[in-house]
Amino acid sequence: QQPVQSPQAVILREGEDAVINCSSSKALYSVHWYRQKHGEAPVFLMILLKGGEQKGHDKISASFNEKKQQSSLYLTASQLSYSGTYFCGTVDSSYKLIFGSGTRLLVRP
Amino acid sequence: DGGITQSPKYLFRKEGQNVTLSCEQNLNHDAMYWYRQDPGQGLRLIYYSQIVNDFQKGDIAEGYSVSREKKESFPLTVTSAQKNPTAFYLCASSPSGRAGANVLTFGAGSRLTVL
Repeated sequence: QQPVQSPQAVILREGEDAVINCSSSKALYSVHWYRQKHGEAPVFLMILLKGGEQKGHDKISASFNEKKQQSSLYLTASQLSYSGTYFCGTVDSSYKLIFGSGTRLLVRP
Repeated sequence: DGGITQSPKYLFRKEGQNVTLSCEQNLNHDAMYWYRQDPGQGLRLIYYSQIVNDFQKGDIAEGYSVSREKKESFPLTVTSAQKNPTAFYLCASSPSGRAGANVLTFGAGSRLTVL
């Protein structure tokens, strides 16, 4: 039931790109992405509601493939501030928001 | 400013004691949630409530109890039946529980340590 995220961790140099994947075994109504800095509460990044929907803000974007029950988060030209743990959350027919185990991202100068 | 207030921020408990974590929101949100986070782990859903006087179990409800007597309040009690309660507890709320309208706003969390 918990979505599967990959990779579990990634280390980047500032300016490099990264992709974080999230997949579910269930049909999804929506996919959420959150970022959590160490010791802080998670902060909402974006939500994708329709199959094929793509969203972006700043240099972070995401896509949602409803048929494949997958979503991907794209971080372009990463900045130091992008460091943290990224969680995808999926909503299925139960309307519960269930989170993946997270992807730790470290951006180094 | 609207937001979610969790208290206490840190709590120590002896084995066998029940403790209650407070969660208050002034966002006028209908839905509220409790998640548990263990070191290096994701967020696991304990309980959620989509409306006053109604709540549902999440994936790890055993050893926990909640109430939702008021829209703005959703306290979580960690009972002595919870075998491994040491964790970081996050309360969240959303405008409603419906898919698409359930973008979560989180509180700052409560860190519970059992001695």
